[in-house]
Amino acid sequence: AQSVTQLDSQVPVFEEAPVELRCNYSSSVSVYLFWYVQYPNQGLQLLLKYLSGSTLVKGINGFEAEFNKSQTSFHLRKPSVHISDTAEYFCAVSDPRRGGAQKLVFGQGTRLTINP
Amino acid sequence: NAGVTQTPKFQVLKTGQSMTLQCAQDMNHEYMSWYRQDPGMGLRLIHYSVGAGITDQGEVPNGYNVSRSTTEDFPLRLLSAAPSQTSVYFCASSLDSTGELFFGEGSRLTVL
Repeated sequence: AQSVTQLDSQVPVFEEAPVELRCNYSSSVSVYLFWYVQYPNQGLQLLLKYLSGSTLVKGINGFEAEFNKSQTSFHLRKPSVHISDTAEYFCAVSDPRRGGAQKLVFGQGTRLTINP
Repeated sequence: NAGVTQTPKFQVLKTGQSMTLQCAQDMNHEYMSWYRQDPGMGLRLIHYSVGAGITDQGEVPNGYNVSRSTTEDFPLRLLSAAPSQTSVYFCASSLDSTGELFFGEGSRLTVL
């Protein structure tokens, strides 16, 4: 079965500093990869996704992620964060042959806190 | 455009009671799913549907039933609530198997 590990449960960062949220997945086959963001008391929103092609994926709000097949990683980065980026971030993986984006396996989440 | 609508937003049940969490989407999406969110565990798939009349189990289906009689609605039924079902439940929909999941705002359920 697929699994996702988000290596940091909490990440505190100062405003305008860069940030990287780490995600590793376990799968030896092709995968779809996603990052979702959850603001307080809301549902999740898609930040970006990797289905195939270029390994560098750009998403909304200035976020990007790089797919690294050899390290089975999909780390999320932003060069300069804002207070409004404070939220919980979830990495997710799915098998294109078994339901694709309909059957996501989520990581535990990383709570990003931006300090002024 | 309402997107994905879940009701109720909050519910408290006693052990053994049954209830239905409602989910409706107005985007004509074929795919719908239910996840539960528990602290430190991310979201886990309960049941999903790829179209009206077609449902299947996810990772944690025990204690839950679903049906999909229309494209728009995908209710989740708790047959006999247990404290282990205390959680936040999210309904989601998607146009296809490569697409973005659109989530509702969640239903917070407490079972005493």
